[in-house]
Amino acid sequence: GAVVSQHPSWVICKSGTSVKIECRSLDFQATTMFWYRQFPKQSLMLMATSNEGSKATYEQGVEKDKFLINHASLTLSTLTVTSAHPEDSSFYICSARGGTSGAGGEQFFGPGTRLTVL
Amino acid sequence: QKEVEQDPGPLSVPEGAIVSLNCTYSNSAFQYFMWYRQYSRKGPELLMYTYSSGNKEDGRFTAQVDKSSKYISLFIRDSQPSDSATYLCAMTAGAQKLVFGQGTRLTINP
Repeated sequence: GAVVSQHPSWVICKSGTSVKIECRSLDFQATTMFWYRQFPKQSLMLMATSNEGSKATYEQGVEKDKFLINHASLTLSTLTVTSAHPEDSSFYICSARGGTSGAGGEQFFGPGTRLTVL
Repeated sequence: QKEVEQDPGPLSVPEGAIVSLNCTYSNSAFQYFMWYRQYSRKGPELLMYTYSSGNKEDGRFTAQVDKSSKYISLFIRDSQPSDSATYLCAMTAGAQKLVFGQGTRLTINP
């Protein structure tokens, strides 16, 4: 199946700093990438959808100025958590959907990034 | 009412048992259905993808969709301890965002 990577796999930062998370599709071109966050023992919560070369579409309640998303190429999307605070600590997961995916657009997920803000 | 309902469990069964995981949904526009497996602290892994009513089999896994009842199932035969994970159903109306169930935590006991 398609492979999606994320970097870093975990990060610890101080409150007030910014953290960038990268999501790469390794063996296919991802026309659309998604960013999710997941709290312990809960399901995935979609944060935003990004199409290559376009501005991201954020879900209701997600601060676009805090969670900056860039999808500059067909294989790379980045999520930057700006001025991180302890409540931003979570598991962030990206997924990618290729242009040749089926009509239902299977999404392939990265391994996730665990962010801890002190 | 949530668009997708999934019993969160936890579900614990002995090794070798047949496992049945289920989701119901309310949006009749959903046409594409997926099951993901997620191990602790890992990203979800796509297990099954279906778009028509009926059964789809892949090894020990069978996905079943009943659009008339808005009900989907995942069956795991000859369950193994390595199948212990959280199983998430997901569905979409098309090239749109996925809507996930809450996830069912499954433990297979040796």
